[in-house]
Amino acid sequence: AQSVSQHNHHVILSEAASLELGCNYSYGGTVNLFWYVQYPGQHLQLLLKYFSGDPLVKGIKGFEAEFIKSKFSFNLRKPSVQWSDTAEYFCAVRGGTYKYIFGTGTRLKVLA
Amino acid sequence: GAGVSQSPSNKVTEKGKDVELRCDPISGHTALYWYRQSLGQGLEFLIYFQGNSAPDKSGLPSDRFSAERTGGSVSTLTIQRTQQEDSAVYLCASSPGVYDQPQHFGDGTRLSIL
Repeated sequence: AQSVSQHNHHVILSEAASLELGCNYSYGGTVNLFWYVQYPGQHLQLLLKYFSGDPLVKGIKGFEAEFIKSKFSFNLRKPSVQWSDTAEYFCAVRGGTYKYIFGTGTRLKVLA
Repeated sequence: GAGVSQSPSNKVTEKGKDVELRCDPISGHTALYWYRQSLGQGLEFLIYFQGNSAPDKSGLPSDRFSAERTGGSVSTLTIQRTQQEDSAVYLCASSPGVYDQPQHFGDGTRLSIL
């Protein structure tokens, strides 16, 4: 069965620090990969997605993610976080079907 | 409207009552999803609609849960004889149904069972 693991449940960083959130999935076939963000009091929004092509994907607000097929990973990165990046981040996988499998989320708090 | 609309935004009810949650997807979106988000948990898939049909109901936790979609648009999720463990945020998402298009989420309905 497909599954998604987000190893960091809570992350606290100071502004300007670099961010990397881990995401690993289990599925042997072709996958589509997503990162969603949920800012406080707002709905889930798409941050970036990977379908095919360049494994380094750039999203909104300076975020990027790298798909490493051999490691079944799709880690999210940002070189320098801002206070406004405080949110909950969800990794999701869709493998071969319409069905999305979400990770349990990572709560990021950025200290001003 | 421009986005996915869910109502009510909050619902408090007594254990044993039935509740109905509504989702209005983005116009023209043929695919519709329901998820449940419990405290400290990720998004738990409940059901998927393509048009008015639900090819996958495997995520519905029990037979107290049901969902329907009419006219290829509005969907309702019904929970009968609610239990305290049903307390969660219920999220709806829609997509154009084309494989390479992602989902758009509503704000959710926060359900609290007393």
